[in-house]
Amino acid sequence: GAVVSQHPSWVICKSGTSVKIECRSLDFQATTMFWYRQFPKQSLMLMATSNEGSKATYEQGVEKDKFLINHASLTLSTLTVTSAHPEDSSFYICSASMYPGGTGELFFGEGSRLTVL
Amino acid sequence: AQKITQTQPGMFVQEKEAVTLDCTYDTSDQSYGLFWYKQPSSGEMIFLIYQGSYDEQNATEGRYSLNFQKARKSANLVISASQLGDSAMYFCAMRESNNNDMRFGAGTRLTVKP
Repeated sequence: GAVVSQHPSWVICKSGTSVKIECRSLDFQATTMFWYRQFPKQSLMLMATSNEGSKATYEQGVEKDKFLINHASLTLSTLTVTSAHPEDSSFYICSASMYPGGTGELFFGEGSRLTVL
Repeated sequence: AQKITQTQPGMFVQEKEAVTLDCTYDTSDQSYGLFWYKQPSSGEMIFLIYQGSYDEQNATEGRYSLNFQKARKSANLVISASQLGDSAMYFCAMRESNNNDMRFGAGTRLTVKP
């Protein structure tokens, strides 16, 4: 199956610093990637849809200046949490689609657990 | 409005028995896909099974089967012969043709008892 890799798996940072999380599709080109956030014991909440070469589309209530998404190539999307605060501590998961649009499977990264001190 | 509803926050099943995890959905699209994912404590999302809205047969993948009732808009997951390793969170999800993204239900925590 298609492989999506996220890095880092774990990150601890001080309040006020910025953290970058990478999401790579290893064996396919992903025209669209999705970023989700998951709080403990809760479901995955879609944060934004990342399209290669264009600006990301953010869900209502997600601060685009705080969560910067860049999809510079067909195999890499990055999420940067700027000026992180303890309330940004969460599990962030990316997923990628092989095909634009459609109703087929998304391939998920392993997730990145962010802890802001 | 919630598009995916999982009404069972937690379920228990005895090892080797079958269990059904409920999922209902809401969509006005004719074309959509329904998914079940397993999330162990490590956090990774493990794809289990897929059902397309136009598929007439219920999907099956090994011990997993999806009970698809289109008119009732339900897509329940049936796990047969439960194993201790099946203990995890299970999420039902949907992709609609008019939206590119995937939306998830609240999840059901399954615990398999020895």
